[in-house]
Amino acid sequence: RKEVEQDPGPFNVPEGATVAFNCTYSNSASQSFFWYRQDCRKEPKLLMSVYSSGNEDGRFTAQLNRASQYISLLIRDSKLSDSATYLCVVKVVRTGGFKTIFGAGTRLFVKA
Amino acid sequence: EPEVTQTPSHQVTQMGQEVILRCVPISNHLYFYWYRQILGQKVEFLVSFYNNEISEKSEIFDDQFSVERPDGSNFTLKIRSTKLEDSAMYFCASSEALWGGDYGYTFGSGTRLTVV
Repeated sequence: RKEVEQDPGPFNVPEGATVAFNCTYSNSASQSFFWYRQDCRKEPKLLMSVYSSGNEDGRFTAQLNRASQYISLLIRDSKLSDSATYLCVVKVVRTGGFKTIFGAGTRLFVKA
Repeated sequence: EPEVTQTPSHQVTQMGQEVILRCVPISNHLYFYWYRQILGQKVEFLVSFYNNEISEKSEIFDDQFSVERPDGSNFTLKIRSTKLEDSAMYFCASSEALWGGDYGYTFGSGTRLTVV
């Protein structure tokens, strides 16, 4: 099983739609969780950290389910500019320290 | 907003040559990283650097690779004897806390390395 697994998509949605992505992780000792956004041939940019109680930033809501070992990202009222690849990132505990692992990403296309 | 700066943005090199990729991390960040992303694939960890030494490296980061902080601002990745399969986007990142802490990384815009 991959350490961090995402549905690669693509998700094709119309403007204004609500779309949700899930990401599963295999290491129960994982500590921190993030969603990054990556535009084509650009660097990943931090979208939001994911907190245990869930958190919201405008149209974006992130949830963490430790029992089932997944995190989710919900995008409401999708905009054309939301088209990107969304990377799930997990910080896991390793012998001697930590390691940050990137998922392969979920591609989103928002169409007019 | 503070930025991580990488140069050059694109480097073309012949197989077998050495390249040096440069990065200027955010000034108050203490932890520095190199990641790479082969076209169409996931972001892969290469190496982390703290207090002027490597703190961790992946299995990708073999003797062909080295990192250095030659002065107070630059952080470089050297790739010796480049191979075709080294062609990728190389991202530098920095963070205030180890492995991004709870706040994640700031990435540079990347250097696209093409080995011909």
